[in-house]
Amino acid sequence: GENVEQHPSTLSVQEGDSAVIKCTYSDSASNYFPWYKQELGKRPQLIIDIRSNVGEKKDQRIAVTLNKTAKHFSLHITETQPEDSAVYFCAAPYNKFYFGSGTKLNVKP
Amino acid sequence: EAQVTQNPRYLITVTGKKLTVTCSQNMNHEYMSWYRQDPGLGLRQIYYSMNVEVTDKGDVPEGYKVSRKEKRNFPLILESPSPNQTSLYFCASSFHLSNEQFFGPGTRLTVL
Repeated sequence: GENVEQHPSTLSVQEGDSAVIKCTYSDSASNYFPWYKQELGKRPQLIIDIRSNVGEKKDQRIAVTLNKTAKHFSLHITETQPEDSAVYFCAAPYNKFYFGSGTKLNVKP
Repeated sequence: EAQVTQNPRYLITVTGKKLTVTCSQNMNHEYMSWYRQDPGLGLRQIYYSMNVEVTDKGDVPEGYKVSRKEKRNFPLILESPSPNQTSLYFCASSFHLSNEQFFGPGTRLTVL
């Protein structure tokens, strides 16, 4: 089955800095790579996703990049704000929905 | 309003007392799944369903059962709950595996 590894497990940045979270996957047949954000006490929600026919996708301050050859994809958050503080999960669905282990992002004001 | 609902939201029970957590979606989604979330362990899939009458095991299915008799409902059944099933449970649905998953609000279960 698919194996999704996510790093780092925790990330602390100063407000205004950038944050990068990386995920690797094992099954080359995976072709959809979403990122979910879970704020404290709330449910996970999709923030951005990318499909294998695209190398990069942006939505305002967040972007996702995909390297299919190396089997890794990354979430980039620029100009971080305190409201970006949350746990972020990557996923690589293939047959089942495989989530990464999560990254707790803390943005210090 | 498009949504995934779960009931109950909170439940405290005792070991061995059968319980069911309901999940319902009104978006005509084919794919539904259950996850448990424990501190430091992320989201682990318990069971999933690709469509009506089609269910399969996730990563941690032991001690759980599911059924998918109707497209909108996907109940999670704990026949004989044990304390190690104390967790936060999320139901989720999507049109297909490669589409956005919509999560329910979560059910916090405590088994004494």
